[in-house]
Amino acid sequence: GAVVSQHPSWVICKSGTSVKIECRSLDFQATTMFWYRQFPKQSLMLMATSNEGSKATYEQGVEKDKFLINHASLTLSTLTVTSAHPEDSSFYICSASTGGRTYEQYFGPGTRLTVT
Amino acid sequence: QKEVEQDPGPLSVPEGAIVSLNCTYSNSAFQYFMWYRQYSRKGPELLMYTYSSGNKEDGRFTAQVDKSSKYISLFIRDSQPSDSATYLCAIVSSGGSYIPTFGRGTSLIVHP
Repeated sequence: GAVVSQHPSWVICKSGTSVKIECRSLDFQATTMFWYRQFPKQSLMLMATSNEGSKATYEQGVEKDKFLINHASLTLSTLTVTSAHPEDSSFYICSASTGGRTYEQYFGPGTRLTVT
Repeated sequence: QKEVEQDPGPLSVPEGAIVSLNCTYSNSAFQYFMWYRQYSRKGPELLMYTYSSGNKEDGRFTAQVDKSSKYISLFIRDSQPSDSATYLCAIVSSGGSYIPTFGRGTSLIVHP
């Protein structure tokens, strides 16, 4: 149980284009979803937290107009990187929790984004 | 000082060794302690969590928390090459959002 999927697993896009990443909880209802960014040999950096049907809460320093997050249902959240630039290249990972237990998160497999 | 400190390694051990992975933290309000395993190019997988001082065992894994020293450990007995991964500690404070603060992870290599 507690399976989270992400799509796509990797994507290459040209500078200036937008990319959408999907995160789905497959066998549970995710009341809260999280988006992280991870650089090589670095820890997870929380970008934003979203609750179903509500606007996302962004961490300090994360541009909300660049990283659009939508949590439309209890099983789906999307991250759209708008007008991507090479510095946005990274490993993006989503996670989900249920029942208010935000300390117990189940992670997706991650999406590797490369912007050329 | 970072809230959670973790030596990035790499830590290289022979198969069958006992592995000790550690984190220190600075915030005494931290109450929940977790260990995640992350294979290369994959998302983290929750291994264990505890909210009290002492030991918690699950198969070959033992999580240990010492709140007085603000020190947590993960022990792996009879380590296997399949244990080769990055291990991240994650700690949550009571009150607030209950969102974990992650260490940077320790890379473990178990060689046959």
